[in-house]
Amino acid sequence: QQQVKQSPQSLIVQKGGISIINCAYENTAFDYFPWYQQFPGKGPALLIAIRPDVSEKKEGRFTISFNKSAKQFSLHIMDSQPGDSATYFCAAHPRGGSEKLVFGKGTKLTVNP
Amino acid sequence: NAGVTQTPKFQVLKTGQSMTLQCAQDMNHEYMSWYRQDPGMGLRLIHYSVGAGITDQGEVPNGYNVSRSTTEDFPLRLLSAAPSQTSVYFCASSPGRGQPQHFGDGTRLSIL
Repeated sequence: QQQVKQSPQSLIVQKGGISIINCAYENTAFDYFPWYQQFPGKGPALLIAIRPDVSEKKEGRFTISFNKSAKQFSLHIMDSQPGDSATYFCAAHPRGGSEKLVFGKGTKLTVNP
Repeated sequence: NAGVTQTPKFQVLKTGQSMTLQCAQDMNHEYMSWYRQDPGMGLRLIHYSVGAGITDQGEVPNGYNVSRSTTEDFPLRLLSAAPSQTSVYFCASSPGRGQPQHFGDGTRLSIL
């Protein structure tokens, strides 16, 4: 029942580099696309989110790009830092549904010093 | 500022035992959810609630029960534990539909 496909599964980036994580969805009836960041031993925490009427949203070093026609959205982390090392999950919220948030399988990001 | 509190943090059970995972939030959020996280599987929704007295099934509800008698609490019950239920369980709350979810730090459950 996987409706959100996330890639890559793992990513290694050098400090100062750009980290890019991609997600694609199959169901057009999604209307909210959050990204969560999870550190070991902790619960996921909301990082940034976008709605489909916007093609890009930027918050500090984190940017979401959204391509509605391609049903794809991606997270870009500029000037990646070792402290960004974590697992990142994209998610999608069905339009008209109650709270059935659908998550991608996650990307483990390692930023080397 | 507690947010979402889950107890216990760790638990080991034997097959066939029952137990309740506790979840409490102090943010007066209407929506609460339970997820399980398994390696390579991401987060999968077990059950959710949109308010006191209202619950519904998620993607993987079998073997679990929930109830929501108050806005603050949303316990998850394992009726007869099975090794396939070994996982990390997360509770989350949000103020409304399509709003950011706030997660607890999880309960790590092992079924022997």
